[in-house]
Amino acid sequence: DTGVSQDPRHKITKRGQNVTFRCDPISEHNRLYWYRQTLGQGPEFLTYFQNEAQLEKSRLLSDRFSAERPKGSFSTLEIQRTEQGDSAMYLCASSLDRGSEASQETQYFGPGTRLLVL
Amino acid sequence: AQTVTQSQPEMSVQEAETVTLSCTYDTSESDYYLFWYKQPPSRQMILVIRQEAYKQQNATENRFSVNFQKAAKSFSLKISDSQLGDAAMYFCAHVWGAQKLVFGQGTRLTINP
Repeated sequence: DTGVSQDPRHKITKRGQNVTFRCDPISEHNRLYWYRQTLGQGPEFLTYFQNEAQLEKSRLLSDRFSAERPKGSFSTLEIQRTEQGDSAMYLCASSLDRGSEASQETQYFGPGTRLLVL
Repeated sequence: AQTVTQSQPEMSVQEAETVTLSCTYDTSESDYYLFWYKQPPSRQMILVIRQEAYKQQNATENRFSVNFQKAAKSFSLKISDSQLGDAAMYFCAHVWGAQKLVFGQGTRLTINP
């Protein structure tokens, strides 16, 4: 088990460009989450997947943002027409949902992708 | 709305001493979970400790323990015998239902040698 990995770790782009980030969860984990963290703040939820199904999206996720998890394994987060306000750390986390309403499996985080939009 | 509040932006402690980080939360749920995560500078977020709301016993993990007061909606973290490696941002987080974590603003902990 190598943990959650994210690629790239850093991305610098110009305003208006598109960027795509990748997250590889822990192999047996069926839930995958995306969060955004700005400097000095706690992470904020963006969206999450149960296997390949995207079950919830935050209001923070504007129509310029799209996330996919096509085969229920890795996930991608794409930002189209980037804006300076998109500059942040994008965190991915995964967990194993065992299907019990009483269980809450811990979310394990990746190292994040730090995005800077110039 | 579910919220988590950490009222201490920064804390410092002498090495080997004990420090307590505060966290309060607001929820209308009865069954939920609380977490403390640690984020060292330029490193990834790691779990420190978790607490199930239905358990009255406070969680403990080695030098880390919590004081969970459900009625007061308070969830503080105590770090005993502080070590230099404990220096980090500490985030309190709450989760319920759809299992999305709601984080507090964080407390930056400095360990003085």
